[in-house]
Order: sequence, then structure tokens, then C-alpha cells
Amino acid sequence: EVQVVESGGGLVQPGGSLRLSCAASGFTFSSYWMNWVRQAPGKGLEWVANIKQDGNEKYYVDSVKGRFTISRDNAKNSLYLQMNSLRAEDTAVYYCARGWNYENWGQGTLVTVSS
Amino acid sequence: QSVLTQPPSASGTPGQRVTISCSGSRSNIGGNAVNWYQQLPGTAPKLLIYSNNQRPSGVPDRFSGSKSGTSASLAISGLQSEDEADYYCAAWDDSLNGRVFGGGTKLTVL
Repeated sequence: EVQVVESGGGLVQPGGSLRLSCAASGFTFSSYWMNWVRQAPGKGLEWVANIKQDGNEKYYVDSVKGRFTISRDNAKNSLYLQMNSLRAEDTAVYYCARGWNYENWGQGTLVTVSS
Repeated sequence: QSVLTQPPSASGTPGQRVTISCSGSRSNIGGNAVNWYQQLPGTAPKLLIYSNNQRPSGVPDRFSGSKSGTSASLAISGLQSEDEADYYCAAWDDSLNGRVFGGGTKLTVL
């Protein structure tokens, strides 16, 4: 069974950092684009970043460029999102999604940026 | 303001057919495939339609997608109470070099 499970969310102060992880199982992780998508409370979906199978192509939404870094470890079947200089507007549930079409999603991890 | 434009709400009665529109531009819908996602209350989104009109296994054929020019549509026939959810369209945008979503449409089954 395909599964992606996010972890690492929590409460952080503005300007702080957090690292999200996504553990993948049930499929050949190294064969798929992987993505982070977020959803602010009561709002719609917003794509954050994605990374190609070999990690050599990465794309980011403008609002996180220079602050967030997406990475992956194919040996560990894991996806990461390093988030620095966090702002209140980064508060959201962060989802990990498999594949170019986002075929499978995790349950999400909540990131709250507040003092 | 989302790059892709969807109506904020839609409604129908059980058994009815409803459509949800998604409007974009040449850099996104006009040149790339459109996907649709269903988000039931309190749950993670789920892929409903990919590549404009393809259904993943397990998605009922009551759901169908289409695309014409810079617009796309999701149609739901034989509406059921369990279809009450938020629906999002999405496409890659060649100008932004990123994925763009519609603002979402809340479907109510009356």
C-alpha cells in the first residue's frame, strides 16, 4: 500500500526554523517527483515546492524562495522541507504528495508560526 | 487571488449533474494538463482527475473532466450526498515555473 507520512510540524516563533519530513513506503520512491503543498486554516491549497526523482531539479513558489529548501534521500525513502525565517503567513497544514499528478497525499502536519 | 479561477460554491440535488469550471491562461491550462482534487471535510485532498480527463483507479465514472483552450471543467453526474466536498483544479504554469491551484469550489448537496 502506498503511504506518505509527514512529521516535524509544531509551534515556532516568527523568524524561527523547522524541518519537515515525509516518510514514503509502498512504492519505488526514487522513481517519482515529490511535492510539498500547504493549506492555511480555512483556505485553499497552495503548492510550495517540488523535486525531481534524482534531486537535481527543484522548484519553489515565489513566497518561499530563499527561505525554504526541499530535499530528498532516496536511500531512506524520505522527503524533507527545511523552513527558515518563518513568518506568520507560513502557518498551515503541510502535505507531502507523491508524483507529478499528486497521486497520493499524506495526512499533513500542522505548522504554526506565532509568538 | 488564485491564478486559476473557480466559482467559490456550487450546489445540486441528489441525482443531478453539476459542473465546476476552472479558468486559466495560455501559460497554465492552455499549455499543460489539468488535474482535479477532491477534499472531503477534515481530510487530505485526493486525486480525482488527471491529464484533463483521466480517472485514477477507484474513482467512479460519475466524475469526468474536460478541457478546451484555457478552461477546464469537472462534471459530476448522479450527485450523491458523499460528493459534498471542496474541489480544486490545478495545472503547471510555464511562466511561474510552478504548480498553480484554483481557489476551490465548495460543493453542497441539497
